[in-house]
Amino acid sequence: SQQGEEDPQALSIQEGENATMNCSYKTSINNLQWYRQNSGRGLVHLILIRSNEREKHSGRLRVTLDTSKKSSSLLITASRAADTASYFCASAGGYQKVTFGIGTKLQVIP
Amino acid sequence: ETGVTQSPTHLIKTRGQQVTLRCSSQSGHNTVSWYQQALGQGPQFIFQYYREEENGRGNFPPRFSGLQFPNYSSELNVNALELDDSALYLCASSLGGTGTSQPQHFGDGTRLSIL
Repeated sequence: SQQGEEDPQALSIQEGENATMNCSYKTSINNLQWYRQNSGRGLVHLILIRSNEREKHSGRLRVTLDTSKKSSSLLITASRAADTASYFCASAGGYQKVTFGIGTKLQVIP
Repeated sequence: ETGVTQSPTHLIKTRGQQVTLRCSSQSGHNTVSWYQQALGQGPQFIFQYYREEENGRGNFPPRFSGLQFPNYSSELNVNALELDDSALYLCASSLGGTGTSQPQHFGDGTRLSIL
């Protein structure tokens, strides 16, 4: 079963707008990771945030983590058509155990 | 640096048959994880291999089995195929032995269809 849940499950925005996706998980974690998946392809690692971190940035990506609420958010600023993809959070608890959520399908309209 | 490669890319089988999927890990990575991704769902963890030993297993029956070879490449074997086994099978490699989960590098998967 999926441990995490992403919210919303689908998101459609105009190019240039910001996109925010949320993720909840159920058990304690060592870190939380975000991945992107283009249709029919493998997942690409975007960013990893450790359980003792609250916020992390990478280019146009900003991730926050609230371990008290067992939740994380991914913000993509100034979105581009190329950002169209599914986005997954993955909670990493024990050694090398990574559990994926059900994903948010993002569509960026040019 | 060679990325993760999976073969074949597509496969069609019938119920009851057996299948072997293959994965070459990224150079320098000693850990391989296998996932099943049904249409519209997130990847579900099948099992993981670290230095040729199984290092954790998800909620999959014993007819799902695997191997890791000395060069860290890996195979996923599925026996007695069922219609519900139709999915994208993803292999991911990472650097294990660090005590915490590291970013995983995924192949593009094998699309398995069961008729």
